[in-house]
Amino acid sequence: GAVVSQHPSWVICKSGTSVKIECRSLDFQATTMFWYRQFPKQSLMLMATSNEGSKATYEQGVEKDKFLINHASLTLSTLTVTSAHPEDSSFYICSAWDRPNEKLFFGSGTQLSVL
Amino acid sequence: GESVGLHLPTLSVQEGDNSIINCAYSNSASDYFIWYKQESGKGPQFIIDIRSNMDKRQGQRVTVLLNKTVKHLSLQIAATQPGDSAVYFCAVSGGTYKYIFGTGTRLKVLA
Repeated sequence: GAVVSQHPSWVICKSGTSVKIECRSLDFQATTMFWYRQFPKQSLMLMATSNEGSKATYEQGVEKDKFLINHASLTLSTLTVTSAHPEDSSFYICSAWDRPNEKLFFGSGTQLSVL
Repeated sequence: GESVGLHLPTLSVQEGDNSIINCAYSNSASDYFIWYKQESGKGPQFIIDIRSNMDKRQGQRVTVLLNKTVKHLSLQIAATQPGDSAVYFCAVSGGTYKYIFGTGTRLKVLA
């Protein structure tokens, strides 16, 4: 099946710094990718839809200046958590839409801990 | 709006028995449904999907049943194994490429 690579798998940073998370579709082109946030023992919360070559669409309540999304190529989307604070600590997951097969595949997630 | 819920937050099953995980949805226009398995610290893994023009689909040891009349979806795992222990989410199409995830059911397999 299709593979989505997410990097890094975990990151620890100081409060006030920015962190970039990458999401790559390895064997298919993904014009649409999604970013989710997941708190412990909770479901996935969609943060934004990332479209190649255009601006991301953010869900209500998600700060677009806080969570910068760039989808510069058909295989790469990045999420940058700017000026991270402890409340941004969470598990972030990306997914990519495999259009020909009409399936949604997920990355392995990134655990962000802000000290 | 769309809402997706699961009937049981935790399901404990004896190894070798069959497991049934349920999911209810509210949008009758939903046409695509997926079950995912998520192990601790990992991203969701695709298990099986079904479209609204079907009411049953089988995979390896797994079966998904769809009842559009009552807007209910279930995942059946045959001969449950310790490796099946995880959280299972149903996802329902909520718009173009967007999926609404259920709250999740934790499956515990007892030896």
